[in-house]
Amino acid sequence: GAVVSQHPSWVICKSGTSVKIECRSLDFQATTMFWYRQFPKQSLMLMATSNEGSKATYEQGVEKDKFLINHASLTLSTLTVTSAHPEDSSFYICSAAQGASIVNTEAFFGQGTRLTVV
Amino acid sequence: AQSVTQLGSHVSVSEGALVLLRCNYSSSVPPYLFWYVQYPNQGLQLLLKYTTGATLVKGINGFEAEFKKSETSFHLTKPSAHMSDAAEYFCAVRPSGTYKYIFGTGTRLKVLA
Repeated sequence: GAVVSQHPSWVICKSGTSVKIECRSLDFQATTMFWYRQFPKQSLMLMATSNEGSKATYEQGVEKDKFLINHASLTLSTLTVTSAHPEDSSFYICSAAQGASIVNTEAFFGQGTRLTVV
Repeated sequence: AQSVTQLGSHVSVSEGALVLLRCNYSSSVPPYLFWYVQYPNQGLQLLLKYTTGATLVKGINGFEAEFKKSETSFHLTKPSAHMSDAAEYFCAVRPSGTYKYIFGTGTRLKVLA
């Protein structure tokens, strides 16, 4: 199957700093990428959907200015957590969808990034 | 709004016993259905999926699931549990016409020796 890689796998940062997480589709072009957040012992919640070359669509309740998403190419999307605070500590997972057609399009998930803000 | 319900946040089975993880969805139109497994501090691995066709779907590691439209269910089963099956399992739906996945709250499977 297709491979989606996230970097870094884990990161610790100081409160008030910004952190960038990369999501790459290694062997396919990803028209659409998704960013999810997973709190401890909870399910994944979709944060935003990004399409290459256009602005991301954020889910209700997700702060656009805090979670900056850039999808500059068909193989790379980045999530930047700006001015991070301890409550932003979480597991962030991206997924990438192959192809422009919705029908039978499957999203492939990255291995996740554990962010800890101290 | 679409939703996914996984009954039982924790399930324990003995090694060699049947595994049954329950998933029900709410949708007026049958969505695409998925089961994912997550090991600690790792991403999601697709176990199996149902899109169209045969309602009994076989996946990796001996897992299978049956789509029952009348019951709006997509329960995951495995005849004989193995210690390596201990993990978190997520049921997800993808409504027709969208890219978005809606996940259940997950079921943590514990396998007892």
